[in-house]
Amino acid sequence: EDQVTQSPEALRLQEGESSSLNCSYTVSGLRGLFWYRQDPGKGPEFLFTLYSAGEEKEKERLKATLTKKESFLHITAPKPEDSATYLCAVPPRTGGGNKLTFGTGTQLKVEL
Amino acid sequence: EAGVAQSPRYKIIEKRQSVAFWCNPISGHATLYWYQQILGQGPKLLIQFQNNGVVDDSQLPKDRFSAERLKGVDSTLKIQPAKLEDSAVYLCASSSGSFHIDTQYFGPGTRLTVL
Repeated sequence: EDQVTQSPEALRLQEGESSSLNCSYTVSGLRGLFWYRQDPGKGPEFLFTLYSAGEEKEKERLKATLTKKESFLHITAPKPEDSATYLCAVPPRTGGGNKLTFGTGTQLKVEL
Repeated sequence: EAGVAQSPRYKIIEKRQSVAFWCNPISGHATLYWYQQILGQGPKLLIQFQNNGVVDDSQLPKDRFSAERLKGVDSTLKIQPAKLEDSAVYLCASSSGSFHIDTQYFGPGTRLTVL
């Protein structure tokens, strides 16, 4: 069964203090890895899709990278509005439609 | 472009009662998903539709949960009878269904509390 593990579970940063969130996965033959942001009381909001090792994508203060075993979400000079839970997810290796297996998320809090 | 719509946003029921949730996907999206998100966990897929056909319902508790997508557009998820452990957020998502790996776009969810 595909597994996705995210760390840390929670992270508290000061405004401007850069850091990275980790997502490790066990699915073989990775077809893609998704990052989502989820604010309290809302549904997950799509951020990035990464397809192959070495790929990087950026959006404002966020940069996602992918290796053969894990993905990182780097947050540069975060602001309080970046506070949210960040989820990563992977589709199955074969078949199974497009079912995503999600990690439990990293809850990020950015303080002034 | 309008996003995925869900209703109601909140529902409180007693155990053994029934409840239904409604979802309207992004216009033109062929694939629709229902996920269950228990507090502190990531979403877990319950059922996936491609147009009005079921692609995957392997994790749907079929003794109490049912879902339909008539006419291949909006969908309804029903729980009958509800149990305490069904308390969760029920998320609907949709994707275009045109690509091998589709981006799924989520609605705001329905928060269900079973007392």
